[in-house]
Amino acid sequence: NAGVTQTPKFRVLKTGQSMTLLCAQDMNHEYMYWYRQDPGMGLRLIHYSVGEGTTAKGEVPDGYNVSRLKKQNFLLGLESAAPSQTSVYFCASRSGTDQHFGDGTRLSIL
Amino acid sequence: AQSVTQLDSQVPVFEEAPVELRCNYSSSVSVYLFWYVQYPNQGLQLLLKYLSGSTLVKGINGFEAEFNKSQTSFHLRKPSVHISDTAEYFCAVTYNNNDMRFGAGTRLTVKP
Repeated sequence: NAGVTQTPKFRVLKTGQSMTLLCAQDMNHEYMYWYRQDPGMGLRLIHYSVGEGTTAKGEVPDGYNVSRLKKQNFLLGLESAAPSQTSVYFCASRSGTDQHFGDGTRLSIL
Repeated sequence: AQSVTQLDSQVPVFEEAPVELRCNYSSSVSVYLFWYVQYPNQGLQLLLKYLSGSTLVKGINGFEAEFNKSQTSFHLRKPSVHISDTAEYFCAVTYNNNDMRFGAGTRLTVKP
């Protein structure tokens, strides 16, 4: 049972490039989340989904898009990467009140 | 919106000593409160949570926390820490399970 799996684990982009981060969960959870973690700021919610085909904005959604075409997958896209998006990105899925986190994707934008 | 303040960014402590990590929150509605632990290069793991009922909550690895509504606090405690408790700890609050707000984190360092 893998839980929540994020790919890739590391990535370096140039400003203006695009990319997609993939989150996959095998626990059949309805709810999924994307966070970013920056030093001294804890985790901040980017977007979330309450079920297949649905998405909603979180606290810091600008510059990101998401899609939930399949229940088990939640994709986070950066259309035109900016240095301010250098961060560690975490995906989580939820059952009841408990969120289960992946190990993160470390993204650097040069 | 709710918010969380973790009062100490770093807490150094010797092995087998007690520790308290402080968390205060603000919210105009009833909330759920959580403590998570993060080990290097890993995601967050749930330590414990307060949903309702008894204000003293026990979690994994010997940790406990006390919900104090009048002081809007949810401090984390452990009576005797181990080297393996060295990690970053996050307090979090939510009123609807979707919009969860995290504190900035407290780095606990346990020294031999």
